[in-house]
Amino acid sequence: QVQLQESGPGLVKPSQTLSLTCTVSGGSISSDSYYWNWIRQPAGKGLEWIGLIYTSGSTNYNPSLKSRVTISLDTSKNQFSLKVNSVTAADTAVYYCAREYSLWGKGTTVTVSS
Amino acid sequence: QTVVTQEPSLTVSPGGTVTLTCASSTGAVTGSYYPNWFQQNPGQTPRALIYSTSNKHSWTPARFSGSLLGGKAALTLSGAQPEDEAEYYCLLYCGGAWVFGGGTKLTVL
Repeated sequence: QVQLQESGPGLVKPSQTLSLTCTVSGGSISSDSYYWNWIRQPAGKGLEWIGLIYTSGSTNYNPSLKSRVTISLDTSKNQFSLKVNSVTAADTAVYYCAREYSLWGKGTTVTVSS
Repeated sequence: QTVVTQEPSLTVSPGGTVTLTCASSTGAVTGSYYPNWFQQNPGQTPRALIYSTSNKHSWTPARFSGSLLGGKAALTLSGAQPEDEAEYYCLLYCGGAWVFGGGTKLTVL
């Protein structure tokens, strides 16, 4: 069955760029008409939608993050990625990738600290 | 930006029925908001329960149902079980962006 796995550095310095990858296994990222999401959750707080990418490559972003976020797709590697620029401590969170909203990765913790 | 509001906390007795709601700051929630509902236990990944207002996933227990109620999206739990104690989040599609509610902490007591 299809599984998603987030990967990337667990520690990022303030003002730098956070980069995460979601690897899709058990199925092709470009098959069907799914869209692929990034969602985050600071410790002890609620969920925040970051953005999504369609298999066509078009994207939608959370307006509050749009100026700092880029989501991209690499069909050759069956992956999609997230970049968040100019991070601060407020970007510290568990980051999840998800296929639409039914299938989620286990999440990866990213801490922004010097 | 749209704000999505849920009850911060609710309590239900075992075997009882409870309705969680999800409101949009822009007005009445309709099917065009494609309401989703999620359950999250501490330390775990959110689990999808309902999509597009009232559709259940194959794994969604029959005691959960989704609807529109009084201009809000609603998640009704009928016959609460102790294992239903969790945080519940709604998600709405608002003008090209998706917005989560702040979550409802449901206690089964």
